[in-house]
Amino acid sequence: NAGVMQNPRHLVRRRGQEARLRCSPMKGHSHVYWYRQLPEEGLKFMVYLQKENIIDESGMPKERFSAEFPKEGPSILRIQQVVRGDSAAYFCASSMLAGHYNEQFFGPGTRLTVL
Amino acid sequence: KNEVEQSPQNLTAQEGEFITINCSYSVGISALHWLQQHPGGGIVSLFMLSSGKKKHGRLIATINIQEKHSSLHITASHPRDSAVYICAVSGNQFYFGTGTSLTVIP
Repeated sequence: NAGVMQNPRHLVRRRGQEARLRCSPMKGHSHVYWYRQLPEEGLKFMVYLQKENIIDESGMPKERFSAEFPKEGPSILRIQQVVRGDSAAYFCASSMLAGHYNEQFFGPGTRLTVL
Repeated sequence: KNEVEQSPQNLTAQEGEFITINCSYSVGISALHWLQQHPGGGIVSLFMLSSGKKKHGRLIATINIQEKHSSLHITASHPRDSAVYICAVSGNQFYFGTGTSLTVIP
């Protein structure tokens, strides 16, 4: 049973480009969470999604960031017109049961570098 | 003020020592989580607990709900325990501490 998979593991973008980060949850998990870890800072919650629904996006920046979790395929975190401050590690986690309070399994992360 | 505070921020220990990492939180929670993050690596969930104590191998996690405090203990520490240990709490949202960087010297 494969764990949570994220790709790419490393992504380099120039300012103004778009970044697409993908997350495939564990088999049987229908809840996905995205977190960001800025350099020298702790993890911060961004968004919680269930298949075809955004449950909680209170941690998402108001502009340029969006997330989806379609009925088929991985969850996508999309960052438009990236800026240097977007450089961070982005982790996704999945859970079988609904809600932040259930056990979450983390992916290896995508390290985004904006030049 | 952060919702989750950890101490110490950095910890160096000799192999074999007993280690304690502390976590205090200020929000209502449904569960507390201890996570391990290796350098350049992903995050592994060590424990999820809402009361009492849990043990897994050389790791022990305790929580005191009334005092809003948890501790992670490592017995007979080993260099492979070197990592960042993160306390997180979940309720309406997931809040993370800034982590404790542990180095165990042979």
